[in-house]
Amino acid sequence: GNSVTQMEGPVTLSEEAFLTINCTYTATGYPSLFWYVQYPGEGLQLLLKATKADDKGSNKGFEATYRKETTSFHLEKGSVQVSDSAVYFCALTIPGYSTLTFGKGTMLLVSP
Amino acid sequence: EAGVAQSPRYKIIEKRQSVAFWCNPISGHATLYWYQQILGQGPKLLIQFQNNGVVDDSQLPKDRFSAERLKGVDSTLKIQPAKLEDSAVYLCAGRGAGGRTDTQYFGPGTRLTVL
Repeated sequence: GNSVTQMEGPVTLSEEAFLTINCTYTATGYPSLFWYVQYPGEGLQLLLKATKADDKGSNKGFEATYRKETTSFHLEKGSVQVSDSAVYFCALTIPGYSTLTFGKGTMLLVSP
Repeated sequence: EAGVAQSPRYKIIEKRQSVAFWCNPISGHATLYWYQQILGQGPKLLIQFQNNGVVDDSQLPKDRFSAERLKGVDSTLKIQPAKLEDSAVYLCAGRGAGGRTDTQYFGPGTRLTVL
């Protein structure tokens, strides 16, 4: 079946540190890949996405590259801010199906 | 544009009681999803509607859960009777048509606690 594996959190960083959250997937066919973010008390918001191999999604300083050879979609940001503290979910859809399959989420805590 | 509306935001009930959640997606979003998010896990699909028809309810525990979207707009998810393991956040999401068909827009969720 389809699945997404994320690194366990919480990830604790100081402001301006470099962030990496690892995500790997198992899927039939060629999935589309997503990162969603959930701020405290809010719903999930799409952060970025990539729909084919070697695509790079980017938004708000975050980026992730679709690596088919390693079945990965790691999230990176060069300099995190306190306001980036949230839970980050990696997810996929497979062709012909719009349902999202999510990882368990990774909590990011950024301190001043 | 207005976002996805859900109510109530929080609900506490005792086991074996009934509960209902309501969702109103963004106007024009023909596809509607209900997800269950148990603490410490990612959301899992319960049911997907296309307009007022069910597309996928394979993960919905039909002995106790039901959902409807009678007019193809807003939707209600019901649990009857509730069990302790139903404690979770219930998320509603919608998806439109056109160039951004991959993007699902989520509501804030309803946090259910079953005692």
